[in-house]
Amino acid sequence: QSALTQPASVSGSPGQSITISCTGTSSDVGSYNLVSWYEEHPGKAPKVVIYEVTKRPSGVSDRFSGSKSGNTASLTISGLQAEDEANYYCCSYAGSDTVVFGGGTKVTVL
Amino acid sequence: QLQESGPGLVKPSETLSLTCTVSGGSISTPAYYWGWIRQSPEKGLEWIGIIYYSGTTYSNPSLKSRLTISVDTSKNLFSLKLSSVTAADTAVYYCARQKAGGYWYFDLWGRGTLVTVSS
Repeated sequence: QSALTQPASVSGSPGQSITISCTGTSSDVGSYNLVSWYEEHPGKAPKVVIYEVTKRPSGVSDRFSGSKSGNTASLTISGLQAEDEANYYCCSYAGSDTVVFGGGTKVTVL
Repeated sequence: QLQESGPGLVKPSETLSLTCTVSGGSISTPAYYWGWIRQSPEKGLEWIGIIYYSGTTYSNPSLKSRLTISVDTSKNLFSLKLSSVTAADTAVYYCARQKAGGYWYFDLWGRGTLVTVSS
């Protein structure tokens, strides 16, 4: 059970769109539509922004969207805002009643 | 709300013990599992395991031999014990709630507690 692979950092200017990738294997991301994404601001509890690949919890901005192709899931943040500067983690069901997280991506708003 | 508590410093080879107190709802609801996740600079987020109010547990295979997760429905809390700790177990430990029914995502998290393993 290896961690999912995410880029260490992604940056963009206010108003732009950015995409964070999350690469797994055919045993996790590729096999299940059970990918979730979490936003973490330092010192605060992580917050789910996407679950089941594309679904947004109530209260989460529609600027957040998710997708998946093969073994890679993606989180897109459109209309980037200063408040989006945070760490983002992907997570996937990995079978046998286990989950695996990604290493995290730091998003910087320039 | 979820609130982690426990010692912030544990000696190598000893047992790390943490508790998560659930407030604002009953831990005995069939709607959720209750879990532990940790975060370290080296590994990022790492899933530790989850428990149902009935006591059913699922855990990370890499930690399973050292791990005990338990629930106390009378006190509305669940606990984590990790034995034979080393410096590699130094991390921020989060408790979190996972929606039952095959959803496999965490919709509520505690703020986390830092546990350092050091002599």
